[in-house]
Amino acid sequence: QVHLVQSGAEVKKPGASVKVSCKASGYTFTSYDINWVRQATGQGLEWMGWMSRNSGKTGYAPKFQGRVAMTRDTSISTAYMDLSSLRSEDTAVYYCVVGYSYGFSFDYWGQGTLVTVSS
Amino acid sequence: QSALTQPASVSGSPGQSITISCTGTSSDVGAYNYVSWYQHHPGKAPKLMIYGVSNRPSGVSNRFSGSKSGNTASLTISGLQAEDEADYYCSSYASSSTPWVFGGGTKLTVL
Repeated sequence: QVHLVQSGAEVKKPGASVKVSCKASGYTFTSYDINWVRQATGQGLEWMGWMSRNSGKTGYAPKFQGRVAMTRDTSISTAYMDLSSLRSEDTAVYYCVVGYSYGFSFDYWGQGTLVTVSS
Repeated sequence: QSALTQPASVSGSPGQSITISCTGTSSDVGAYNYVSWYQHHPGKAPKLMIYGVSNRPSGVSNRFSGSKSGNTASLTISGLQAEDEADYYCSSYASSSTPWVFGGGTKLTVL
């Protein structure tokens, strides 16, 4: 059974950075891409970027380019999403997501990590 | 502003059917049969309900169905039940610098 377990809630000040982790289990970590999706307060879902299963190559939504970095540690089957220069609009629940069983869709989601940006 | 357009809210009584639309462009919904739908109860992770426009994942009720015409996809829920009350999001693969786009979400209220 696929499980994605994310790190706990964070409170950050504007201008700071946050690093969210996502530990995968139940499948071969390097066999599936990992995507990151967020839901800002009162907003809809928003795709942030992805990391290739094979090479670890990343691709980011233009909105986050320059502020986001997605990395991984394959030895512990864990992916990371680093978001810098935080502002209040970044207050959101961040999800790591995997498309495992069905092509071009996301069937496994982490439980979400609430990041609150407040002075 | 979300890339895909959904109505903000829909409602229906138990047993009725409702349809949620999702309008994109010829670069996303209209270009690919990779539309998916997600059910999101507050405080929980979203759940995949439809993939590939009209396919149901294992375990999803056949009361949920999807379709597409041109640049607009639709999710239909028949025989509404109280537990269907949630937010629903559509998503599509897109030939752009942002390969995945979502709709703004539709709040379904079961009266």
